[in-house]
Amino acid sequence: AQSVTQPDIHITVSEGASLELRCNYSYGATPYLFWYVQSPGQGLQLLLKYFSGDTLVQGIKGFEAEFKRSQSSFNLRKPSVHWSDAAEYFCAVGAGTNAGKSTFGDGTTLTVKP
Amino acid sequence: DTGVSQDPRHKITKRGQNVTFRCDPISEHNRLYWYRQTLGQGPEFLTYFQNEAQLEKSRLLSDRFSAERPKGSFSTLEIQRTEQGDSAMYLCASTSGAGAGNTIYFGEGSWLTVV
Repeated sequence: AQSVTQPDIHITVSEGASLELRCNYSYGATPYLFWYVQSPGQGLQLLLKYFSGDTLVQGIKGFEAEFKRSQSSFNLRKPSVHWSDAAEYFCAVGAGTNAGKSTFGDGTTLTVKP
Repeated sequence: DTGVSQDPRHKITKRGQNVTFRCDPISEHNRLYWYRQTLGQGPEFLTYFQNEAQLEKSRLLSDRFSAERPKGSFSTLEIQRTEQGDSAMYLCASTSGAGAGNTIYFGEGSWLTVV
């Protein structure tokens, strides 16, 4: 069975600082990987996704993620955090070609200090 | 394109009552998904439809839960004889195709509190 682990429940960074959110997955085949962002009381918005090819994936809002098969990781990064990035971030692994049937991690809450 | 809309956004109900949530996907999206999300956890897959056909149900979907998508457009999720453990946010999502390359669009969710 597939699973996702986000080791950091809560991360605090200063505005303008760099950010890295960790994600480790378990999946028997080539994974389809996603990062979503959720603002309080809102639904999820897709930041980026990886299926194959270049292991460094660019997304919206200046985010990027790197797929490392040897480490079973898909960490999310941003070089300079803005106050509006404060939210909860979820990593997910898709079930084969059915992207909507995904397994999510428990999320990392990002707080941005002024 | 008005996005995925869910109604109601918030529902407080007494234990034992029935509740129904509605989801209107993005028009022409043939796949529709329901997820449940409890505090401090990520969304958990419940079920999905392709057009009007319900293709898969998670083990999380007990007999008290039923979902429909009668005309392949909007969908409803009904919970009968609610229990306190049903308190969660119920998320709906839609996409235009089956492949992993298709972006999933989520609604803002329907919060359920069972008292």
